[in-house]
Amino acid sequence: KAGVTQTPRYLIKTRGQQVTLSCSPISGHRSVSWYQQTPGQGLQFLFEYFSETQRNKGNFPGRFSGRQFSNSRSEMNVSTLELGDSALYLCASSNEPGIAEAFFGQGTRLTVV
Amino acid sequence: QQQVKQSPQSLIVQKGGISIINCAYENTAFDYFPWYQQFPGKGPALLIAIRPDVSEKKEGRFTISFNKSAKQFSLHIMDSQPGDSATYFCAASKRSGGSYIPTFGRGTSLIVHP
Repeated sequence: KAGVTQTPRYLIKTRGQQVTLSCSPISGHRSVSWYQQTPGQGLQFLFEYFSETQRNKGNFPGRFSGRQFSNSRSEMNVSTLELGDSALYLCASSNEPGIAEAFFGQGTRLTVV
Repeated sequence: QQQVKQSPQSLIVQKGGISIINCAYENTAFDYFPWYQQFPGKGPALLIAIRPDVSEKKEGRFTISFNKSAKQFSLHIMDSQPGDSATYFCAASKRSGGSYIPTFGRGTSLIVHP
């Protein structure tokens, strides 16, 4: 069974640009969550989707957004990139939203220059 | 405000030794406590998890001890091996909107010397 797949693995963007990251969950998993990992702030929850609906949102500005498609694949978008957005962005999937066990992808390393 | 405090930040042990990582939380609404292991260049992988109605859970060389009254939990790695060298994150999760949302500790970098 394939794991959580995130694309691209690495990305370099210029300040002010926007970026879209993609996540394909484990087959059969319908809940997808996104996290930002930085050395300074650690792992922080961004948002969570289930059945194309955002169920939870972390404490991030509106420049961070996401969506989920009918096949459970998810994308997150960051607009007007800032240097501080440089981070490893991780996606995790779980079978049902009430199931606590989540499985992470390898992440997308975003560098903003 | 750091809701989940993890210590130590780094840990060095000899092969065969016991590695102990501690976490403390504030919010009593947390009701699921997983530990994740992360190798460089990889995403975190669920290692072991515990719910507050259990004081200890063991899986192989990994044991979680949970003290509900003290709001503390810890990971013990017995017979530590060089392959255990990684960053370990504790988390405390609470239900929100029907889902479990984790709050992570800052992580512990474990090095096991051969």
